[in-house]
Amino acid sequence: SYELTQPPSVSVSPGQTASITCSGDKLGDKYTSWYQQKPGQSPVLVIYHDSQRPSGIPESFSGSNSGSTATLTISGTQAMDEADYYCQAWDSSTVVFGGGTKLTVL
Amino acid sequence: QVQLQESGPGLVKPSETLSLTCTVSGGSIINYYWSWIRQSPGKGLEWIGHIFYSGSTHYNPSLKSRVTMSVDTSKNHFSLKLSSVMAADSAVYYCARLGLTGDSDSFDIWGQGTMVSVSS
Repeated sequence: SYELTQPPSVSVSPGQTASITCSGDKLGDKYTSWYQQKPGQSPVLVIYHDSQRPSGIPESFSGSNSGSTATLTISGTQAMDEADYYCQAWDSSTVVFGGGTKLTVL
Repeated sequence: QVQLQESGPGLVKPSETLSLTCTVSGGSIINYYWSWIRQSPGKGLEWIGHIFYSGSTHYNPSLKSRVTMSVDTSKNHFSLKLSSVMAADSAVYYCARLGLTGDSDSFDIWGQGTMVSVSS
């Protein structure tokens, strides 16, 4: 079965840029979405179709996808961005989620 | 705006069937795909499956033998049944809107989630 691999944790200083990666076989050939989940809350879609932002998502969130790696980038990271982030893709009409990355803003 | 609300028992006995309903408000269930996703305590997200408003379904292969989804357009809701549950099925169950095309869509609207525990 298809797998998406994320680093368990990423740390960033306030105001700096955070990058969270998601790796999978030929992932660049698929659309990747990203979700933010804060403790006790439902996930929120922050990026779809690799790099598109839903309405209401700050411009500080951006995404890219090439080769075997998709990347979620958060510019000017703030304390409120501290959360778990999940990537998601499709493989053979099946949804696959990455294991999630805990972003800590130190 | 469209909102989703899960409902159903919070406790199910082992070997029995878990049944949940997701009610869509603020919009129509027509034309969209709708999904169930779960998250075990402290773990990641697991896709259970999705259903089109017409009733066509697609399930996670790892759960397919135990999952049934249905939709009732007159009530603007869709449902999940998971049979022969075990402790490992204890999780927060989310319903979510998938989109208009299914494949390659994203989950753009989520319910608040409902915790289901499997225990005797």
